[in-house]
Amino acid sequence: DAGVTQSPTHLIKTRGQQVTLRCSPKSGHDTVSWYQQALGQGPQFIFQYYEEEERQRGNFPDRFSGHQFPNYSSELNVNALLLGDSALYLCASSWGLAGGQETQYFGPGTRLLVL
Amino acid sequence: GESVGLHLPTLSVQEGDNSIINCAYSNSASDYFIWYKQESGKGPQFIIDIRSNMDKRQGQRVTVLLNKTVKHLSLQIAATQPGDSAVYFCAENNNAGNMLTFGGGTRLMVKP
Repeated sequence: DAGVTQSPTHLIKTRGQQVTLRCSPKSGHDTVSWYQQALGQGPQFIFQYYEEEERQRGNFPDRFSGHQFPNYSSELNVNALLLGDSALYLCASSWGLAGGQETQYFGPGTRLLVL
Repeated sequence: GESVGLHLPTLSVQEGDNSIINCAYSNSASDYFIWYKQESGKGPQFIIDIRSNMDKRQGQRVTVLLNKTVKHLSLQIAATQPGDSAVYFCAENNNAGNMLTFGGGTRLMVKP
């Protein structure tokens, strides 16, 4: 049973560039959430996708956008990169929305460094 | 591997001792709480969860206690092992959706 997978594992970009990160959910899961984790801090919620729609969004600017595909995999896009976007980007998957009590399982993350 | 947290509160325990990691949560409307373990260079790993209609839940070597009156959560690890060394995060989820709000984390160091 495959867990949550993310690609790439590491990425280096320069300011102003755009980046796309990818996530495949755990087998049987249909909901994908994205989090940003700065060094030394807990993860912060970016947004969540279910049935190919953004269902909930955290306090992140429009430079952060996403997509969910029919096979439940998801992409996170960040435009006009800033130095402060350097972080570990985590994808978590779960099953359904269920009023918020579905366990979220995390992938290994993509480490993004913006120079 | 990469360091998860450089300036986190640290709990240092002797191998075989019990560990207690504490967490204060912020939203009295939160009704679901989870503890995650994060090792260096890895994503958070689910340990145990508890719903707001409970005040205690036990797993294998772990127990979570919930005190809604003071908005406090704790994780107890019995017979702590070197493999338990990691950063531990509590997370809360209010019934407005499936967004997790994480605490700042505690680094657990187990001395052999």
